Amino acid sequence: AQSVTQLDSQVPVFEEAPVELRCNYSSSVSVYLFWYVQYPNQGLQLLLKYLSGSTLVESINGFEAEFNKSQTSFHLRKPSVHISDTAEYFCAVSFTGGGNKLTFGTGTQLKVEL
Amino acid sequence: GAVVSQHPSRVICKSGTSVKIECRSLDFQATTMFWYRQFPKKSLMLMATSNEGSKATYEQGVEKDKFLINHASLTLSTLTVTSAHPEDSSFYICSARPLAGQETQYFGPGTRLLVL
Repeated sequence: AQSVTQLDSQVPVFEEAPVELRCNYSSSVSVYLFWYVQYPNQGLQLLLKYLSGSTLVESINGFEAEFNKSQTSFHLRKPSVHISDTAEYFCAVSFTGGGNKLTFGTGTQLKVEL
Repeated sequence: GAVVSQHPSRVICKSGTSVKIECRSLDFQATTMFWYRQFPKKSLMLMATSNEGSKATYEQGVEKDKFLINHASLTLSTLTVTSAHPEDSSFYICSARPLAGQETQYFGPGTRLLVL
């Protein structure tokens, strides 16, 4: 069965500290990987994605994620977080042959504190 | 680019009435749109996949007669919650996938439905 796991439901971190949000998936077919961010009472915004090519992808606001095929992971990292990064982060996977459907992880609440 | 809008942003209705939610891709054409439901502090649950000009494909457990989906054009899909009940109260989010076989989905801002 194909699935997406975000082990950490909440991650508290101090401002300017580094953070890693973990995402693992289970699949026997090729995948496309996404991170979305959701601010309170809003829809999802695409943060970054891996479709092919370089396994390290970056967003415009300092986040990066690396596709690790052997570990079936796509962890999200930022070297120095800001208060404004407080939000819910969802990892999502599209499985080849799955009709472009996205399977979402359960989300990680990142809370940045002063 | 790749902006998706939803209308209304929030709606309150009486039990037994029907509510229509619109999802529009503003600056691109979308052959496929998706409708999700999100419960408080929960992940997104895919309800159905909507393809322009054809019937929607519903996920297991989603009542197609209750959640009517219409995808009349390449920029508009609608979700109608028929005979709404309090348990239908939720956050409904749509997404749209551009043409040309792109894998990326772009999400709307969501619609908060409260059924009294």
